[in-house]
Parts: sequence; C-alpha cells; structure tokens
Amino acid sequence: EAGVAQSPRYKIIEKRQSVAFWCNPISGHATLYWYQQILGQGPKLLIQFQNNGVVDDSQLPKDRFSAERLKGVDSTLKIQPAKLEDSAVYLCASSPGPTKTTSTDTQYFGPGTRLTVL
Amino acid sequence: AQSVTQPDIHITVSEGASLELRCNYSYGATPYLFWYVQSPGQGLQLLLKYFSGDTLVQGIKGFEAEFKRSQSSFNLRKPSVHWSDAAEYFCAVGPRSNDYKLSFGAGTTVTVRA
Repeated sequence: EAGVAQSPRYKIIEKRQSVAFWCNPISGHATLYWYQQILGQGPKLLIQFQNNGVVDDSQLPKDRFSAERLKGVDSTLKIQPAKLEDSAVYLCASSPGPTKTTSTDTQYFGPGTRLTVL
Repeated sequence: AQSVTQPDIHITVSEGASLELRCNYSYGATPYLFWYVQSPGQGLQLLLKYFSGDTLVQGIKGFEAEFKRSQSSFNLRKPSVHWSDAAEYFCAVGPRSNDYKLSFGAGTTVTVRA
C-alpha cells in the first residue's frame, strides 16, 4: 500500500514570496490533515478536511495560508506571502475516517516538506 | 486547555540498554493517547495507542507504554535499545469525541551510542 505522498520535499524562498505544497493521501482515506512543525516543537494542526469539506481550520492563519482539497483526494496548502516565521516542516497526514469516534482513527503521515524562508 | 509535556528534550542511551520516555498530559478527561516516532527526514510513524482497557499497551518495534491515570502519564519503554531506535519521539493526546484534534508534545530526541 502506497503511503502519503508530499512534494516538494524541500523549498527555499524569500520572504513575501508565495509557495504551494501538494499532498496525495493514502487511497480511500476520507480525512486529510495539514500540520506545521516548527523546529524543536511538536506538530500543530493547521487544517483538517473530511472528503472535500473543512472540519477544522481554527489554527490556520487565514490572512496568508489557504488550503483546498478539490474532489476529496489531493490537497494543496498555499502560503502567500510567506514570512520568516513560516519556516517549518509541513506535514500531511490522512486517516480512513469518518468513524463514530474520529479520535480512534489512526493518522498516517507523509515525509513532509521542509520550508525555509529567507 | 489541554497540554502534553515531554520533560526530557534529549536522552542518550547505550545500545542494549533500556529506555524510558516520559509523557504527562493535562486534560479535562482521560484522552486517547498516542506515541509517534520520527526518523530524520521521515514522517511520523505510529508506535502505539491507548483507548481503553489494559493500561499496558504493546506497540511495534518492541515498544510498550503504560497509562497511569493517577499520574496523568503515558510513559514509553523499550527493554533493549537498538541503534535504529535513534529518532525523535512524540507523545500526543486526542479528545474522546468527534471534535478531533491531536495535540503533540515537543518531542524527545533519542541518541543511541555503541
């Protein structure tokens, strides 16, 4: 079974530029998550999709971050314009969901995209 | 608000020695509990999880964790460490509801010396 795919693996940009990340979840997984992992910290959930609808985007900085999951499969996360503090690893995860209690759903993570903003 | 604390930022252990990683949580009710491992350049891999029942949970790669409600802890253990266990380990909690959101600790980096 193929895992969660992410691209690119690394990206270096200047501040105020825009950047986009792509995620392809495990086939058949209904729920998709984007996390931000700043160096020295644990991952922080940015947005959660169930199929092509947003379940939770309360921690997404909507003035500069956007995400979409058209057709309920692949997803893109965009930052425009980027700031220095956006330097982090962006992780995508997917889970089979929905289940009666979504918390029991195991999340499977991709390798991440390491973003450096100069 | 919920929080997860991993008191040890970095642990060094000799190959073949035992390993214990600490995790404490602050939560309104007993949450679901998870341990993930992240090798360099890799995504997070689930080691084990606790939902209910036996408080000693067995996971992959020879890891186990014990849930102690009275101490709000979920410590991870391995009796004999292999060099391939060098990685970063994250404890995470999730609520017992459909309002699902994993909260992660800051992680513990494990170095294995020969």
